[in-house]
Amino acid sequence: EDQVTQSPEALRLQEGESSSLNCSYTVSGLRGLFWYRQDPGKGPEFLFTLYSAGEEKEKERLKATLTKKESFLHITAPKPEDSATYLCAVLRGGGGADGLTFGKGTHLIIQP
Amino acid sequence: KAGVTQTPRYLIKTRGQQVTLSCSPISGHRSVSWYQQTPGQGLQFLFEYFSETQRNKGNFPGRFSGRQFSNSRSEMNVSTLELGDSALYLCASSLTANTEAFFGQGTRLTVV
Repeated sequence: EDQVTQSPEALRLQEGESSSLNCSYTVSGLRGLFWYRQDPGKGPEFLFTLYSAGEEKEKERLKATLTKKESFLHITAPKPEDSATYLCAVLRGGGGADGLTFGKGTHLIIQP
Repeated sequence: KAGVTQTPRYLIKTRGQQVTLSCSPISGHRSVSWYQQTPGQGLQFLFEYFSETQRNKGNFPGRFSGRQFSNSRSEMNVSTLELGDSALYLCASSLTANTEAFFGQGTRLTVV
C-alpha cells in the first residue's frame, strides 16, 4: 500500500527564517511526486511535479527536491503570505489510474 | 483560462438523503478525479473518470458513485447520507490520467 508521511505536522517560523518540509514516501513504482499548497477553505493549488531522483524545481521562494525515498520543500526567506498547509502526494506507476495518495500535510505559519 | 468549477460551494443535507455534486474541468482536460477531505483522514481518492469511463475507484462504499459526460463535466452522487460523509469534496482535472491535477474550490457538505 502506498504511504506518504509529512513532517513536521506544524511549523511556525519568523519572517525571513528559512526551513525545509519533509515528505517521505513508499510507493510501488513512482510515476510522479506532487507538491500542493492549500489555504483554509480552498482547494489545493498545484506547485510542482517531480519525476525522478535528483530532480529539482524552483518557484519564487520555494524549491522542491526529490530522492528515491523522500522529497523536500525548501522555503527561503519566507513571508507571511507563504502561510498555508503544504501537501505532498504521489502517483503510482502502472497501467491504471489509481489517483493521488496524499500526506496529511504540514501546516506552516510565518509570523511577521 | 477558467479553472475547475465546482457547484454548489456549500450544501447542508439530512441523514438518509442523497446529494449530487457537479464539476466542470479545465477546458481541454479529459480526466476528472474526485477526493474527499476530512480533518482526520486528510485527502482520500474517491474515483477517476477519463473519456466517460471510470478507470479506478478508491476504498469507499458503493453509496459513492459518479459519472462523466461527453463534454468532460462530471458529477458525483452520495446516497443514503451518513453523518460521517460531512467533508470537503474536491474535484481535480488533468489533461490525461496521471498528469498534474488542478483542483477546484470544493463543495463543503454538511450532513445533519
